[in-house]
Amino acid sequence: QVQLVESGGGLVKPGNSLKLSCATSGFTFTDYYMSWIRQAPGKGLEWLAYISGAGVTIYYADSVKGRFTISRNSGKNSVYLQMNGLTAEDTAVYYCARTARRDGYSAASFDHWGQGVLVTVSS
Amino acid sequence: SSELTQPPSVSVSPGQTARITCSGDALPKQYAYWYQQKPGQAPVMIIYEDIKRPSGIPERFTASSSGTTITLTISGVQAEDEADYYCQSADRSGISVIFGGGTKLTVL
Repeated sequence: QVQLVESGGGLVKPGNSLKLSCATSGFTFTDYYMSWIRQAPGKGLEWLAYISGAGVTIYYADSVKGRFTISRNSGKNSVYLQMNGLTAEDTAVYYCARTARRDGYSAASFDHWGQGVLVTVSS
Repeated sequence: SSELTQPPSVSVSPGQTARITCSGDALPKQYAYWYQQKPGQAPVMIIYEDIKRPSGIPERFTASSSGTTITLTISGVQAEDEADYYCQSADRSGISVIFGGGTKLTVL
């Protein structure tokens, strides 16, 4: 079955960087977009970025553009999120999600999610 | 920028019908999706492409679409349905993903 397992979270000081990983299994990794979505404590869901199966198409939310970088490694069936210049507002649970997208003009959707990893930005 | 608007909370008694709305200008152009999130758990997709139900999702979860509003209907609400529900779509271009603010369903 489809499995997504995030890792790399933890406590980080403001201004520092962190790289999250998401290991996947149970599906053909290169057939799917992959996304990162976060949820601040007590708040709603916020999409951050997605990357196409071949890694060619990448889009970011305005809130993280220029600070966060999504990437993937098909050899390891994994997707990553490099986060730079972290602030307290980046404190959240970060989810990776398998992403379906019909074409370049259609909404992406998230049919499988990892369990999430907590990132806390604090001095 | 595009937004999706949901009521913050809905309350129903067990066995009754709950309806959760989601409004947004891009909805006539883009498909909508619904997710259920229980405390401490990751979200689960319960509706895709406006009205379709993934396998394993109970039939009491249905959805409808009319213009700029989509509605999630939960018939015969059970205690286990108490959760946060999020609608999701995209902006008109289909590039940026948008989530509604979420609706907390309370089963009285």
